Amino acid sequence: ILNVEQSPQSLHVQEGDSTNFTCSFPSSNFYALHWYRWETAKSPEALFVMTLNGDEKKKGRISATLNTKEGYSYLYIKGSQPEDSATYLCAFILAGGTSYGKLTFGQGTILTVHP
Amino acid sequence: SQTIHQWPATLVQPVGSPLSLECTVEGTSNPNLYWYRQAAGRGLQLLFYSVGIGQISSEVPQNLSASRPQDRQFILSSKKLLLSDSGFYLCAWIRDRDYGYTFGSGTRLTVV
Repeated sequence: ILNVEQSPQSLHVQEGDSTNFTCSFPSSNFYALHWYRWETAKSPEALFVMTLNGDEKKKGRISATLNTKEGYSYLYIKGSQPEDSATYLCAFILAGGTSYGKLTFGQGTILTVHP
Repeated sequence: SQTIHQWPATLVQPVGSPLSLECTVEGTSNPNLYWYRQAAGRGLQLLFYSVGIGQISSEVPQNLSASRPQDRQFILSSKKLLLSDSGFYLCAWIRDRDYGYTFGSGTRLTVV
């Protein structure tokens, strides 16, 4: 059973604060790490797909880093806005042809940004 | 562009009743398709995936089944629902492992 852990479970910040959260995953047989944003009453939306150790990806105020050797990824949000409030999910894909893109998700970090 | 449709959006069903949730994808062919469930207080769990017509793999033993009668159609079923089947069900497709999933809008199932 693959273990993908996210921390913290929830986070409350003020508008304008920068924040970050962590995803831990198995460091062996790594293929890819995904980040998704899941807003209430919507479906999850892909933010990043990260495949290489040392990867850094950025989309607007959101960025992510990847360390496959130690098995963690960080997601950063700079200058949080109320519209960033959502659950942020990370998900892990194993290497190997039989994985067929199956994702193992973490429990998510619930971010609430207060105006 | 590719789109994914999932219905119904919400469903309240009595224990012991049957279930059928449908997912269809447009704008692509031979997609890999997935059914996930989020039960109360838990993360998204993979239930079934399919790499082609008639090809279904089950990830966890459960009261549910899946079928893929057409290339772009994926159906989740149950003959008799249990209370523990309540949850939020998401259909997803992926072009290949280098891309993120595209999820359907989800079905909130409450078994009473």
